[in-house]
Amino acid sequence: GNSVTQMEGPVTLSEEAFLTINCTYTATGYPSLFWYVQYPGEGLQLLLKATKADDKGSNKGFEATYRKETTSFHLEKGSVQVSDSAVYFCALLYSSASKIIFGSGTRLSIRP
Amino acid sequence: DAGVTQSPTHLIKTRGQQVTLRCSPKSGHDTVSWYQQALGQGPQFIFQYYEEEERQRGNFPDRFSGHQFPNYSSELNVNALLLGDSALYLCASSQDRSYEQYFGPGTRLTVT
Repeated sequence: GNSVTQMEGPVTLSEEAFLTINCTYTATGYPSLFWYVQYPGEGLQLLLKATKADDKGSNKGFEATYRKETTSFHLEKGSVQVSDSAVYFCALLYSSASKIIFGSGTRLSIRP
Repeated sequence: DAGVTQSPTHLIKTRGQQVTLRCSPKSGHDTVSWYQQALGQGPQFIFQYYEEEERQRGNFPDRFSGHQFPNYSSELNVNALLLGDSALYLCASSQDRSYEQYFGPGTRLTVT
């Protein structure tokens, strides 16, 4: 079946460090891929998306590229800030099915 | 625009009781999806409502039921509560078949 596997956390980095959170997926066909972020005590916010192979989603300094050949959608940021501390979820969606399948989440903590 | 709103924010119930959670979608959205997020896990799809009917359902027992009203708002009902139903319940709204779902802040349900 369709699934998403993402890097286990927690991940702890110092401010201004480079961030990578790995995400791979298993799916038939061509799903849309997403990264959602959940700040403490809040609901999910869409961080970025890519709807077809080789698309690059970007937002707030974060980037992820839809790699069909490796079925991956790794999240990267060149210089993290304390305010980036949150839980990050990789997810996929088939528009025809309309339900989002989430990974288990990666907790990110940034030290000042 | 108020975005997606959910009520109540927190709820404590006893095993065997019944609970109703409410969701108002973002303005212009006609589709509502419900997700259960257990502590430390990614959200799991419960079901989706469109045109006042359940369009899709995830792997949840019949104790979980829902309703959508003509104004597109929705309710999630859970009967015969179990300790394992303790979770954050998230509502997401979208336009029909759109890949972009907007999440509310969630209702934290604790079953004792």
